[in-house]
Amino acid sequence: NAGVMQNPRHLVRRRGQEARLRCSPMKGHSHVYWYRQLPEEGLKFMVYLQKENIIDESGMPKERFSAEFPKEGPSILRIQQVVRGDSAAYFCASQSMDSGNYEQYFGPGTRLTVT
Amino acid sequence: ILNVEQSPQSLHVQEGDSTNFTCSFPSSNFYALHWYRWETAKSPEALFVMTLNGDEKKKGRISATLNTKEGYSYLYIKGSQPEDSATYLCALNPTSNTGKLIFGQGTTLQVKP
Repeated sequence: NAGVMQNPRHLVRRRGQEARLRCSPMKGHSHVYWYRQLPEEGLKFMVYLQKENIIDESGMPKERFSAEFPKEGPSILRIQQVVRGDSAAYFCASQSMDSGNYEQYFGPGTRLTVT
Repeated sequence: ILNVEQSPQSLHVQEGDSTNFTCSFPSSNFYALHWYRWETAKSPEALFVMTLNGDEKKKGRISATLNTKEGYSYLYIKGSQPEDSATYLCALNPTSNTGKLIFGQGTTLQVKP
């Protein structure tokens, strides 16, 4: 059973470009979470999605950021018109629907560098 | 804003020493507490999830306790080994078993051989 997959692992973008980060959850997991780690900071929640639905986006910046988790395919975190302050490590975690299963399983992260 | 505090921020110990870290959280906003172990360039690895006051969990030389009434959890490592060197994160589920985790800043442990 493959773990949570994220790609790319490293992404370099110039200011003003778009960044697309992908997350494939563990098999059978229908909950996906995105977290961000800014330099010298801890992991901060961004958004929580279930298949085709955004459940909680309270941690997502209001502009330029969007997320989706389509019926088929990976979850995508999209950052439009990137700025230097978007440089960070972006982690995705997945969770199953089993009752009583609280664990969130993390991927290896995508390190975004904006030049 | 809910805050999860971890102490100490970093710790250096000799191989064979036992050590412990603290995680503090607001006791009025609690559903579950998670401990993760995070090695550089790897994914955070789940160690424990605890939900009940007085919970005590153990995995090998690592154990954790939970006090929800006073809002803290301890992580203990018995007889530290160099391979235990990592950052240990605690995270609060404030509302339900699904939903965001609120992470502390972590305790970075370095074990010298």
